[in-house]
Amino acid sequence: AQKVTQAQTEISVVEKEDVTLDCVYETRDTTYYLFWYKQPPSGELVFLIRRNSFDEQNEISGRYSWNFQKSTSSFNFTITASQVVDSAVYFCALRDNAGNMLTFGGGTRLMVKP
Amino acid sequence: DAGVTQSPTHLIKTRGQHVTLRCSPISGHKSVSWYQQVLGQGPQFIFQYYEKEERGRGNFPDRFSARQFPNYSSELNVNALLLGDSALYLCASSLGLGMANTEAFFGQGTRLTVV
Repeated sequence: AQKVTQAQTEISVVEKEDVTLDCVYETRDTTYYLFWYKQPPSGELVFLIRRNSFDEQNEISGRYSWNFQKSTSSFNFTITASQVVDSAVYFCALRDNAGNMLTFGGGTRLMVKP
Repeated sequence: DAGVTQSPTHLIKTRGQHVTLRCSPISGHKSVSWYQQVLGQGPQFIFQYYEKEERGRGNFPDRFSARQFPNYSSELNVNALLLGDSALYLCASSLGLGMANTEAFFGQGTRLTVV
């Protein structure tokens, strides 16, 4: 069975601080896909990144960066110089190779204060 | 291009009633999935449909059913509503199954309240 754990339920930072959201996953598949989604108060899940299990390169996109470590089954997400608009709930998710379903973590609520 | 659209956006139903939620995927996407998100939790997988056939089912009772139409739109039906069915129901569309370089795009959801 697949499992995703986001141990931080809520994080509060002041604008311009850096913040890292943790994600730990469990799967028996050798090929799998990891995702991060952002959920603003409107409710829609906004896709941020997909990472394939066979590609351990870290990725940076503007203020966002992701650290994928297969050895520790972690896929952490860092926001540099946080902004108020980053306030949302962030979900880490895991998908198997068959592509049938996403397994989500419980989410981390990020509050960025001005 | 339009994204994933869901209707209605909000709904209030009484215990025991039946509800139908609708989803139109992104143009060109043939796979639709449904998720239930209870307040304060992550989304839970309910169903996946591809080319009008059910390709995956989560751990939900038989009161939940779905179907996909020839135009790839989908309906989620829930019978004999319980208070615990109150949640945000999310629809996601993707190009297909088992495609490595693809992701699911979500609609804004239908917020169902059962009273």
